[in-house]
Amino acid sequence: KAGVTQTPRYLIKTRGQQVTLSCSPISGHRSVSWYQQTPGQGLQFLFEYFSETQRNKGNFPGRFSGRQFSNSRSEMNVSTLELGDSALYLCASSLASGGKETQYFGPGTRLLVL
Amino acid sequence: GEDVEQSLFLSVREGDSSVINCTYTDSSSTYLYWYKQEPGAGLQLLTYIFSNMDMKQDQRLTVLLNKKDKHLSLRIADTQTGDSAIYFCAERVGGGRWGKLQFGAGTQVVVTP
Repeated sequence: KAGVTQTPRYLIKTRGQQVTLSCSPISGHRSVSWYQQTPGQGLQFLFEYFSETQRNKGNFPGRFSGRQFSNSRSEMNVSTLELGDSALYLCASSLASGGKETQYFGPGTRLLVL
Repeated sequence: GEDVEQSLFLSVREGDSSVINCTYTDSSSTYLYWYKQEPGAGLQLLTYIFSNMDMKQDQRLTVLLNKKDKHLSLRIADTQTGDSAIYFCAERVGGGRWGKLQFGAGTQVVVTP
């Protein structure tokens, strides 16, 4: 069974540009969530999607947006990049079934904003 | 407080038990999680507990939940060098399955031979 795939793995952008990151969940998982990890702020929840609907959103500005497609693949977009957006962006796919929850993370996309 | 709090560092000898503590913020949090992140490796969901439980055991892992004090702990029995990692606790704020996940800063566990 293939794991969670994130593309690209590494990305360098300059301030003011925008970026789109992609996440392909494990087959059969309909929930995808996104996280930002930085040395200063730690792990922070961005948003979670289930069946193409955003179920919740963390405390991030509107420059951060996402979507989920009918095949459960998800994208997140950051517009007008700032230096502080440099981070590791992780996505996870999860499945809740029979009272149990399983969650698997992708390897992350490392974004550097210059 | 408004932050999920964890001690930052724990050193333990191989074969001993490790206990990592966490204080969470929202008394209505229904799901509480422990994650593990090894150097160069991805984040891994270790275990979780529902708020209607006091304890959950999963092989070498034991999670204890004290709702009155909003305190969560993870005990690792017979700690191995492979348990060296950063451990994050997290809560789903606002209750329910779709609450926002809020993480602690992580506890770095170093296992010495």
